[in-house]
Amino acid sequence: GQQLNQSPQSMFIQEGEDVSMNCTSSSIFNTWLWYKQDPGEGPVLLIALYKAGELTSNGRLTAQFGITRKDSFLNISASIPSDVGIYFCAGPYNAGKSTFGDGTTLTVKP
Amino acid sequence: DAGVTQSPTHLIKTRGQQVTLRCSPKSGHDTVSWYQQALGQGPQFIFQYYEEEERQRGNFPDRFSGHQFPNYSSELNVNALWLGDSALYLCASSWEQGFSYEQYFGPGTRLTVT
Repeated sequence: GQQLNQSPQSMFIQEGEDVSMNCTSSSIFNTWLWYKQDPGEGPVLLIALYKAGELTSNGRLTAQFGITRKDSFLNISASIPSDVGIYFCAGPYNAGKSTFGDGTTLTVKP
Repeated sequence: DAGVTQSPTHLIKTRGQQVTLRCSPKSGHDTVSWYQQALGQGPQFIFQYYEEEERQRGNFPDRFSGHQFPNYSSELNVNALWLGDSALYLCASSWEQGFSYEQYFGPGTRLTVT
């Protein structure tokens, strides 16, 4: 089946730093989704991307849909402690059925 | 506006037993998907229900079955539980006529099989 590879697996950063993470696939996706999951919660949708090359922002978060349609990137600017959590990329295919990466765990040190 | 709700929050079962998990979708949503999330991994798609029918299925055995009711709520049933079924089970809802790729997740049910 389709697999998504996320990197890095984990990040330890200082509050105020910028963060970059990415997601790659061997298959082409027509949509990329980025979710954040806090402990004990379900994933929360952060950004949805629908077009190759698209750059979309949500507050301090910016995500890009790669030109090849096989990758996507998420950047967080000026990180704050509440950014801590696990960030997942997902590629939906076939009527809402989504495949997820294994996540990037972000730790922010005050 | 209530989001996706799931019950119970936690559950402990013994190998070989059967379990039923419940999900109520976000108001206005008509499609429900179920995912299994093992520790340290991303969610894995189990199946999706729309109009009370299973529409899509992931790579899970027939021990996993489900149901959708006329009010769009859904159940996930797992028979003959294995230790490997221990995981967080997530329900996600979406609206078929909207951007159905944008799913809203519930908080999950933590299942422990001993």
